[in-house]
Amino acid sequence: KAGVTQTPRYLIKTRGQQVTLSCSPISGHRSVSWYQQTPGQGLQFLFEYFSETQRNKGNFPGRFSGRQFSNSRSEMNVSTLELGDSALYLCASSLDRSNTEAFFGQGTRLTVV
Amino acid sequence: GDSVTQMEGPVTLSEEAFLTINCTYTATGYPSLFWYVQYPGEGLQLLLKATKADDKGSNKGFEATYRKETTSFHLEKGSVQVSDSAVYFCAPNSPHSNFGNEKLTFGTGTRLTIIP
Repeated sequence: KAGVTQTPRYLIKTRGQQVTLSCSPISGHRSVSWYQQTPGQGLQFLFEYFSETQRNKGNFPGRFSGRQFSNSRSEMNVSTLELGDSALYLCASSLDRSNTEAFFGQGTRLTVV
Repeated sequence: GDSVTQMEGPVTLSEEAFLTINCTYTATGYPSLFWYVQYPGEGLQLLLKATKADDKGSNKGFEATYRKETTSFHLEKGSVQVSDSAVYFCAPNSPHSNFGNEKLTFGTGTRLTIIP
């Protein structure tokens, strides 16, 4: 069974641009969560989607948004990029929203210059 | 809110040494507890978990026991190998009071380096 797939793996953008990251969960998994990982802040929760609805949101500005499609694939978007948005963005999928194991993708490394 | 305090790294040990990485948490209710491992250039992988008090999670020689009285979930391994070099994250999966759902809260991570 294929794991969680994140694309692209690496991305370089300039300040002010916007970016869209993609996450394909494990087949049959309906819950997708996004995390930002930086050396200074560690792993921080961005948001969670289930059945195409955002169910939970972390403390990030409105420039960070996301969505989930009917096939459970998810995208996150960051607008008006800032240097501080440079990070590894990780996606995790779970079978459902109950207390189950989260499976992580390899992440998208975003560099803002 | 929920929080996790994890042992500061980096931790450097010789091969076959005993490993302990401390983790304590504050959480609403009774969360499940997880340890994740991140190898260089990769995402996080579940290492072990415990879902209720006094449960012991174990995998690949690593162990951790859910201690409700001390709100701790310390990771241990009796004899580490070079291949264990990675970053380790402690993560309670805690009910989110506002929405009734659950999310992982991660510690800062502990970088472990094992030297031959």
